[in-house]
Amino acid sequence: EDKVVQSPLSLVVHEGDTVTLNCSYEVTNFRSLLWYKQEKKAPTFLFMLTSSGIEKKSGRLSSILDKKELFSILNITATQTGDSAVYLCAVEKGGWTSYDKVIFGPGTSLSVIP
Amino acid sequence: SQTIHQWPATLVQPVGSPLSLECTVEGTSNPNLYWYRQAAGRGLQLLFYSVGIGQISSEVPQNLSASRPQDRQFILSSKKLLLSDSGFYLCAWSLPRGAPYSNQPQHFGDGTRLSIL
Repeated sequence: EDKVVQSPLSLVVHEGDTVTLNCSYEVTNFRSLLWYKQEKKAPTFLFMLTSSGIEKKSGRLSSILDKKELFSILNITATQTGDSAVYLCAVEKGGWTSYDKVIFGPGTSLSVIP
Repeated sequence: SQTIHQWPATLVQPVGSPLSLECTVEGTSNPNLYWYRQAAGRGLQLLFYSVGIGQISSEVPQNLSASRPQDRQFILSSKKLLLSDSGFYLCAWSLPRGAPYSNQPQHFGDGTRLSIL
């Protein structure tokens, strides 16, 4: 059965700290791994990773994928209170389908306190 | 640019009442459309997806149904709500496989928080 596991499930840090969120997966027909940030409403897209070892970066956020060990990490440096959110990891399956079959993890709830 | 609208934002309904949640997408044609439910502390569970008008596929058996009466309109319905239908419902869209630049993520609406009393 396909599954995506995230750790930790929740995390409280102080502003300025650096955090690492983990995502491991067991999914057949892997196509890509996705990270989303969800505050109160819509998950917003952060990164799509398809190749191992290539870091994707956006400001203070970065992510990397290891397709051999089947995991990804999301790093946030110099955290700010605005980084408080649930971070969702998801894996998109490939195969002969006309739609995107995406398996979501449970999310990591990050709270950044001043 | 593409936008997705979902309404209502919140809804409180009694057990046994009907349900209709609506989602519309603008700025793209023939999108793939999805309905997810998110339970507290859990990931998103895919309920339905649609690759075209009138084409609906269900991922899990349940008390809900979906319809796509127009290309960019996706509706989630129930004839009689159960307590277990409470949750946060999200609509999403993506480009169809094979379309140019189709290696893009799904984009989500703001969701509907449904409480059943």
